[in-house]
Amino acid sequence: DARVTQTPRDKVTEMGQEVTMRCQPILGHNTVFWYRQTMMQGLELLAYFRNRAPLDDSGMPKDRFSAEMPDATLATLKIQPSEPRDSAVYFCASGTGTGQETQYFGPGTRLLVL
Amino acid sequence: DQQVKQNSPSLSVQEGRISILNCDYTNSMFDYFLWYKKYPAEGPTFLISISSIKDKNEDGRFTVFLNKSAKHLSLHIVPSQPGDSAVYFCAAFGGSNYKLTFGKGTLLTVNP
Repeated sequence: DARVTQTPRDKVTEMGQEVTMRCQPILGHNTVFWYRQTMMQGLELLAYFRNRAPLDDSGMPKDRFSAEMPDATLATLKIQPSEPRDSAVYFCASGTGTGQETQYFGPGTRLLVL
Repeated sequence: DQQVKQNSPSLSVQEGRISILNCDYTNSMFDYFLWYKKYPAEGPTFLISISSIKDKNEDGRFTVFLNKSAKHLSLHIVPSQPGDSAVYFCAAFGGSNYKLTFGKGTLLTVNP
């Protein structure tokens, strides 16, 4: 049963601390997406990778957020320093890269910054 | 500027009846539409999609209708079941092959 996994599932931290979220895409998928869900904005695309290369990170606050794919089985999203307004659920999704493909979502990381 | 709008935050229906979830879009570049379902504490899961060259797509109890001239699509669930209770997101591709634009979702509650 192939699925996207994310860790941690929940994270509570204090303002100013670094937060690292991890994602393992479905084996064989070559596109990875990071989304943020908030009550006000809904689901927003933060970053998009194809074959581990970042192709679009225009949705990400550049000064504090960074996204990487150290290898094909791991994507990371870091926030440094974290702020209360970063509190949200962060989803990772992966796809086959065939264009207009179905994106398969992980269970999300619920982040609370105090 | 919200390009995909789901104007009903919530909908409640009786088991066995039809559920109709609506979605409007403003960007005429959108050409492929998807519905996702989301249970609490889980990620969204793909439900059904439709290309702009069609006006209807059916999959079991789920049917999506697309009215391009009105820039409107709807998801029909017949018959509705309690297990269908979830948040439903409308999403659209257009202008690029990877960027999905989501609506804010509609919470469907199916009462036994």
